[in-house]
Amino acid sequence: EDKVVQSPLSLVVHEGDTVTLNCSYEVTNFRSLLWYKQEKKAPTFLFMLTSSGIEKKSGRLSSILDKKELFSILNITATQTGDSAVYLCALYYGGSQGNLIFGKGTKLSVKP
Amino acid sequence: EAGVTQFPSHSVIEKGQTVTLRCDPISGHDNLYWYRRVMGKEIKFLLHFVKESKQDESGMPNNRFLAERTGGTYSTLKVQPAELEDSGVYFCASSQGRLLFDTGELFFGEGSRLTVL
Repeated sequence: EDKVVQSPLSLVVHEGDTVTLNCSYEVTNFRSLLWYKQEKKAPTFLFMLTSSGIEKKSGRLSSILDKKELFSILNITATQTGDSAVYLCALYYGGSQGNLIFGKGTKLSVKP
Repeated sequence: EAGVTQFPSHSVIEKGQTVTLRCDPISGHDNLYWYRRVMGKEIKFLLHFVKESKQDESGMPNNRFLAERTGGTYSTLKVQPAELEDSGVYFCASSQGRLLFDTGELFFGEGSRLTVL
């Protein structure tokens, strides 16, 4: 069965710390892996990783995909309180557009 | 530009009653999706519209759920009759063209929380 497992489920850090969020997956037909940030209610898009784009970076956030070991990590350096959110990992396996397999998310709390 | 809007933000109903959730996608977005998150579980795909046509409804739990998108604009998701296990947050998202294949970006609404007592 296709599935996405995120770890840890919850994480508390202090401002300035660097965090690494993990997403491992099992899928029969990998197409892409997506990261979303859910601060309050609506998830917002961060990155999409594919076989042809295994590393993405935007400011203090970066992500890599390891297709051999079937995982991705989301790295946040010099964390700020505004980074506090639930980070969602989702897998697109080639079904209809939008038919994504989500992980349960990692809740990140950044304390001042 | 307005984002994806959902109504109501929270609905509390009794088992056996009917609830209708509404989603207004971003103007011009042909693709509209419904998802659900039950407490403690991951977000699950329900269905996908392209304009007014159902492209994929493989995630719909059962025939108590009915989604429509008349005219290819806003969409409604009706649950009739509601059961306790239907409680959760229902998210709507939209995208334009083949955006998901190119960038992965879905635009989500804030969700409609449904509580069935």
